[in-house]
Amino acid sequence: DVKVTQSSRYLVKRTGEKVFLECVQDMDHENMFWYRQDPGLGLRLIYFSYDVKMKEKGDIPEGYSVSREKKERFSLILESASTNQTSMYLCASSPQVPANTGELFFGEGSRLTVL
Amino acid sequence: GENVEQHPSTLSVQEGDSAVIKCTYSDSASNYFPWYKQELGKGPQLIIDIRSNVGEKKDQRIAVTLNKTAKHFSLHITETQPEDSAVYFCAASSGTYKYIFGTGTRLKVLA
Repeated sequence: DVKVTQSSRYLVKRTGEKVFLECVQDMDHENMFWYRQDPGLGLRLIYFSYDVKMKEKGDIPEGYSVSREKKERFSLILESASTNQTSMYLCASSPQVPANTGELFFGEGSRLTVL
Repeated sequence: GENVEQHPSTLSVQEGDSAVIKCTYSDSASNYFPWYKQELGKGPQLIIDIRSNVGEKKDQRIAVTLNKTAKHFSLHITETQPEDSAVYFCAASSGTYKYIFGTGTRLKVLA
């Protein structure tokens, strides 16, 4: 089975702290994604990576950056956490663009609270 | 901009009844429409999908229908069971990496 592992399930941080959310997938997928999930807003794409060191902004990239130094690992970075970044963060991977199989494989999520 | 509207936001049904969740998309270039199920404490998981060259697809108790003219697609669950209780998300994609997700429907199946 495809496994997408998010290292931290729950985090509590203070305003202004730098936050790293780590995601690892074990199926050699080219594409990796970071989504933010908020009640009533669904899933919104923060960043997407289609290859090592390659990244594309999603719909809500402000206040976030990403790093993909290895194919299996995609990190989301909050340079200076703010209270409005309190949310559930979901990492996903897929083997190819949606024009083909399209399936996204999600991790279990990282719930971040910023105080 | 592109968006996907999903209704209802919550849905309660008696066990054994059917459940229908509806989505409307705005981007006429959308050609792939997946549905994801998110159980409590887990990430979303694909349960069924449909492409724009197909009008309906079934997989056991679940089915999806697509009306391209009206830009509507729907998820139908028959003979609902308690384990169907979850949050369901529809999405639309125009064939690139970008999905537009609906806002989710919390389905409760009452025993």
